[in-house]
Amino acid sequence: SQKIEQNSEALNIQEGKTATLTCNYTNYSPAYLQWYRQDPGRGPVFLLLIRENEKEKRKERLKVTFDTTLKQSLFHITASQPADSATYLCALENQGGKLIFGQGTELSVKP
Amino acid sequence: NAGVTQTPKFRVLKTGQSMTLLCAQDMNHEYMYWYRQDPGMGLRLIHYSVGEGTTAKGEVPDGYNVSRLKKQNFLLGLESAAPSQTSVYFCASSYRTIASDTQYFGPGTRLTVL
Repeated sequence: SQKIEQNSEALNIQEGKTATLTCNYTNYSPAYLQWYRQDPGRGPVFLLLIRENEKEKRKERLKVTFDTTLKQSLFHITASQPADSATYLCALENQGGKLIFGQGTELSVKP
Repeated sequence: NAGVTQTPKFRVLKTGQSMTLLCAQDMNHEYMYWYRQDPGMGLRLIHYSVGEGTTAKGEVPDGYNVSRLKKQNFLLGLESAAPSQTSVYFCASSYRTIASDTQYFGPGTRLTVL
């Protein structure tokens, strides 16, 4: 069955640095992959979607890459700010057509 | 637009009691979903619906029932609550296409079963 692995350890970085989060998946290669942000006590919020034929996608300070050979997506936040502190979830469609989510990586940006 | 709303926000039940969680969306989305989120487990799909009057099982459907009598509403029922159903429940909706399935989530319901 499809599995998604995100680094379960929290990522702590200094304000202004680039945060890089990793999402690895096994088995079935999805047609697209999504990233969501979740703040404590709230539901996930969609950030970016990248398709299998796209190597990279950008939105303001966010950048996502998708390597179908490595079965990996990287999520970058440049010039990070304390307001970027949250948990970031990777999600992809499994072979049954359902969206499945990784456990998420908690990002903490210190001033 | 309110987006996706969920009621109640919090609930405490005793083992064996029943309850219904209500989800409403005002985006005219065909697809709706119920997830549970537990520490270290991520979001797991309980049931989903591809349109009014339809429902289907997700990854962890046991102990739950759902109904979609109106397009904008998706109800999740627990007939006989168990402590293992203590969790945070999220509802989501989407306008699904071949190219994407971006989901819009509600604020969640925190349920404790004693």
